[in-house]
Amino acid sequence: EAQVTQNPRYLITVTGKKLTVTCSQNMNHEYMSWYRQDPGLGLRQIYYSMNVEVTDKGDVPEGYKVSRKEKRNFPLILESPSPNQTSLYFCASSLGVWREAYANTGELFFGEGSRLTVL
Amino acid sequence: DQQVKQNSPSLSVQEGRISILNCDYTNSMFDYFLWYKKYPAEGPTFLISISSIKDKNEDGRFTVFLNKSAKHLSLHIVPSQPGDSAVYFCAAKRTGAGSYQLTFGKGTKLSVIP
Repeated sequence: EAQVTQNPRYLITVTGKKLTVTCSQNMNHEYMSWYRQDPGLGLRQIYYSMNVEVTDKGDVPEGYKVSRKEKRNFPLILESPSPNQTSLYFCASSLGVWREAYANTGELFFGEGSRLTVL
Repeated sequence: DQQVKQNSPSLSVQEGRISILNCDYTNSMFDYFLWYKKYPAEGPTFLISISSIKDKNEDGRFTVFLNKSAKHLSLHIVPSQPGDSAVYFCAAKRTGAGSYQLTFGKGTKLSVIP
């Protein structure tokens, strides 16, 4: 079954304690991305990756790190979490950049979300 | 500056009636538009999309209309069903070499009342 898997799904932590949210996809997708969802703010992109070893900042990258050492994995790292990073996080993946040669609807596949609370 | 706007945070509709969700965009470089649906405790799922070369795309009960001159699109759900109750996100992107980024609106929460 094609899927994007995030772990943990729920986490309560304290300020300053480093944590990693893992993301893995089994669709051989080139493109992966992290979003956070906050009330009244919708989905905001944190970081994205076009392919292995290629990552770039999204709209709200402060306080986060990512890495893309393998095609299937794209972990989100909070080196020193703060309460303003309390949020619902989604990892997503897609086939990749637009190509004329095939019909790419631009469809993003999302994970089920990781709810993070930083006290 | 918000490039994709969904100005209605919520919408309530009677079962069987039409639901119309609206979305406006400001970036004229966007040429592909998508709608995602999100249930509580789940990730968003792709619903329907439309290219800027079209003004309408239909898939069962869901139809998306695009008015390029007004930079406006809308999602119509007919007839609305209680299972359609969810948050709907409008998203836009530029296609073309070297570009793959989706910009999302803030979402509209649809409640379909039985």
